[in-house]
Amino acid sequence: QVHLVQSGAEVKKPGASVKVSCKASGYTFTNYEINWVRQASGQGLEWMGWMNPNSGDTGHAQKFQGRVTMTRNTSITTAYMELSSLRSEDTAVYYCARERFKVGLLGNHYYGMDVWGQGTMVTVSS
Amino acid sequence: QSVLTQPPSASGTPGQRVTISCSGSNSNIGDNYVYWYQQFPGTAPKLLIYRNNQRPSGVPDRFSGSKSGTSASLAISGLRSEDEADYYCAAWDDSLSGRVFGGGTKLTVL
Repeated sequence: QVHLVQSGAEVKKPGASVKVSCKASGYTFTNYEINWVRQASGQGLEWMGWMNPNSGDTGHAQKFQGRVTMTRNTSITTAYMELSSLRSEDTAVYYCARERFKVGLLGNHYYGMDVWGQGTMVTVSS
Repeated sequence: QSVLTQPPSASGTPGQRVTISCSGSNSNIGDNYVYWYQQFPGTAPKLLIYRNNQRPSGVPDRFSGSKSGTSASLAISGLRSEDEADYYCAAWDDSLSGRVFGGGTKLTVL
């Protein structure tokens, strides 16, 4: 069975960093990109960025420029998302989600985020 | 303020057909595929529609997606009480070089 299992809840002080892990199982880790999406309480979904576990290439939403780092350890099929300089507005549930892609001549083809982690609650509070 | 615009709420009675709209621009919906996600309270989203109108295996054919120009729609036919959830559209935005979501639509089954 395909699973993404995320690390547990975190409580951080403003200005600190948090690193969330996302352990993949049941599929070939390097064949699917990992996206990170967050959701503040009662709010909508906010896309943060993506990572190609095969190449290590990443991309992120402009609002997280300089604050987000996405990495992976292919030997343990785990992706990580680190967010620094935390502020209260970063309090949210953070999800990882895989997305199948195919390399095309004019760019990659994507098929939607079809498997999601259970979410990690990150609370930023002094 | 979301880049993709959805109505905050929608409703219907069991058996009815309901549509949820998603409005964008040339840089996102107009030039890229649209995806739809369903989310129940306290749970992770679930992929409902990919590449405008494709259903992943296991998604009932009561759910369908369409796109025209810079707008997209999710239609749910034969509405059931278990369809009561939040629905989000998403697309890649070329100007932002990133993925964008709609603000979400809360569907109530009366």
